[in-house]
Amino acid sequence: GQQVQQSPASLVLQEGENAELQCNFSSTATQLQWFYQRPGGSLVSLLYNPSGTKHTGRLTSTTVTKERRSSLHISSSQITDSGTYFCAMPHTGGADRLTFGKGTQLIIQP
Amino acid sequence: GGIITQTPKFLIGQEGQKLTLKCQQNFNHDTMYWYRQDSGKGLRLIYYSITENDLQKGDLSEGYDASREKKSSFSLTVTSAQKNEMAVFLCASSIWGGSYEQYFGPGTRL
Repeated sequence: GQQVQQSPASLVLQEGENAELQCNFSSTATQLQWFYQRPGGSLVSLLYNPSGTKHTGRLTSTTVTKERRSSLHISSSQITDSGTYFCAMPHTGGADRLTFGKGTQLIIQP
Repeated sequence: GGIITQTPKFLIGQEGQKLTLKCQQNFNHDTMYWYRQDSGKGLRLIYYSITENDLQKGDLSEGYDASREKKSSFSLTVTSAQKNEMAVFLCASSIWGGSYEQYFGPGTRL
């Protein structure tokens, strides 16, 4: 089935630095979603980006479907950006369910 | 906009006890999901339902039952709670067909 790998597993940055998170997947997919989970919280959808580049606030996602990868760029990181970021895409066995990566834990230090 | 609510927020039980978690959504979404998240790990799909009275097994269905009583609600039952079992159960919903963007509830902590 679909495999989703995220890197790095964890990332520690100073406030104001840019963060780059990667997501690689094993099968071509037509949908991809990035989620954010603050410590102890639920998942919040950040970007729904099946292909190309999408922006929202300080977030930019670029998905290159042919190369089976997507990235999430966070510019001028803030302490409140700390948390875990997941990418997810449709399961190969059924497009109405998602396969999640294991997440990237982002820690922003003052 | 809409909202997903989960009850209860916290659930404490005894070993072997049957525990029921409830989820309600007012997005009018067709598909609903139950995930389990263990500390420091990604999400694993337990059950999902693409319409009222439908039920599909995920990757972790053993030890659980689910019920889609109506379009807006989806229940999950832990059939036999294990000693020292701790996890967060997350409910989600999405539109059926075309768009797979998922929205999550706040979670129930077991």
